[in-house]
Amino acid sequence: DQQVKQNSPSLSVQEGRISILNCDYTNSMFDYFLWYKKYPAEGPTFLISISSIKDKNEDGRFTVFLNKSAKHLSLHIVPSQPGDSAVYFCAAREDTGNQFYFGTGTSLTVIP
Amino acid sequence: DSGVTQTPKHLITATGQRVTLRCSPRSGDLSVYWYQQSLDQGLQFLIQYYNGEERAKGNILERFSAQQFPDLHSELNLSSLELGDSALYFCASSVGDGIGEQYFGPGTRLTVT
Repeated sequence: DQQVKQNSPSLSVQEGRISILNCDYTNSMFDYFLWYKKYPAEGPTFLISISSIKDKNEDGRFTVFLNKSAKHLSLHIVPSQPGDSAVYFCAAREDTGNQFYFGTGTSLTVIP
Repeated sequence: DSGVTQTPKHLITATGQRVTLRCSPRSGDLSVYWYQQSLDQGLQFLIQYYNGEERAKGNILERFSAQQFPDLHSELNLSSLELGDSALYFCASSVGDGIGEQYFGPGTRLTVT
C-alpha cells in the first residue's frame, strides 16, 4: 500500500520556466514532509522540508506547498535550470514514530 | 559528497548466503537510517537508530537485522538471501532523532544470484 504517491513518472520543462512536482498522500498521521533530489549513481540529496503546521516553505528557487485538506504536497522550482534535471522524491514521516515513507519519484528534465 | 560512507559499493552473492553492509554517518550525526530501493520502486524505510538505540522500524524482514555501534557506525545484516533481496541499500544520517534533513550515502548495490 503506497501511502505517498507521485503520479507523474516524468516531467519536461523549458529552462527558465517553473517546474511543479506533485505528491499525494493518504495517511493523516504524517506530520513532516521532505523533498529529495537524486542523480544517477548517487544517494538522494535533501532539498527542502515542511512541517504539517505550515502550508508553505521557501528556500531560494525551491518552494514547497502543503495542502493538508487535500493531502497534497507540491514542489515549485523557479526558474528551472538544466542542472535541476534529476529524479525528485517526496517523503513523509508519521507522527507516531520515525517511520519515513517515500514516493516512487518523478524524473524532471529541464530543456536548455 | 554527503559525508556518509557506505561499504561495499557493490556486492554479488548467492541465494541463502549472509552479507553485512556497513555505514559510517556524518561526523556529529547521531541517527542512522537504512532504506531499500528495488527496481522501479521508491525507497522503502527499513530501520532507524539514534545514538545506539533502535528508534523506528519499517518494512524490515525478519531475515534482516541492524545495529548501531558506540562509535555510531551501523551495520545491516541480511541473511538467507533471496533473489528478491537484490536492490540498492542506502544509509542516511541526521543530527536529530527522526527530524531534520537526512544525508544519504552513495548506496550499496546488492545482487543475489
